[in-house]
Amino acid sequence: AQSVAQPEDQVNVAEGNPLTVKCTYSVSGNPYLFWYVQYPNRGLQFLLKYITGDNLVKGSYGFEAEFNKSQTSFHLKKPSALVSDSALYFCAVRDDNTDKLIFGTGTRLQVFP
Amino acid sequence: AAGVIQSPRHLIKEKRETATLKCYPIPRHDTVYWYQQGPGQDPQFLISFYEKMQSDKGSIPDRFSAQQFSDYHSELNMSSLELGDSALYFCASSSGLAGDNNEQFFGPGTRLTVL
Repeated sequence: AQSVAQPEDQVNVAEGNPLTVKCTYSVSGNPYLFWYVQYPNRGLQFLLKYITGDNLVKGSYGFEAEFNKSQTSFHLKKPSALVSDSALYFCAVRDDNTDKLIFGTGTRLQVFP
Repeated sequence: AAGVIQSPRHLIKEKRETATLKCYPIPRHDTVYWYQQGPGQDPQFLISFYEKMQSDKGSIPDRFSAQQFSDYHSELNMSSLELGDSALYFCASSSGLAGDNNEQFFGPGTRLTVL
């Protein structure tokens, strides 16, 4: 069964510093991995995805994620955090046999000015 | 660009009442997914449709039913509402089925409160 784990409930970072939000995955076949962001009282916004190809995936709003097969990780990164990046971030994996997304428990990112 | 539309955005119901949530996918998207996000929880998959047929079913109670219509919009019908049904209900749409490199685009959600 597919699953993702986000080990941190919250990540705090100062504005301008690099940020990392961690995600590890467990899949039985090819990993289709996604990052979504959720702002308060808003829907889920797609950030980026890994299907195949380059291990470094670039996405929206300056975010990127690195797929690491040996560590089964797909950490979300940004070189310089903004206060406006403060939100809830979900890592997700697409089920190998269907389309449904299986989400991690979410990590709340707080960027301080 | 057009996004996924959900209506209503907010809904308040009493226990044992029924509710109908509507989802209008992005134009030319043929696949619709429903997710439920409880307070402080991650979204959980409920059900999906492709070309008006149910394509997958998750942890959806028997009190809930859904369908996709000829114009590809979908409705989630919830009966005998319980307090635990209070949640944010997301609809997402995509083009195609598993195996295609298509991400799901989410609507803003319907916040259901059961009193």
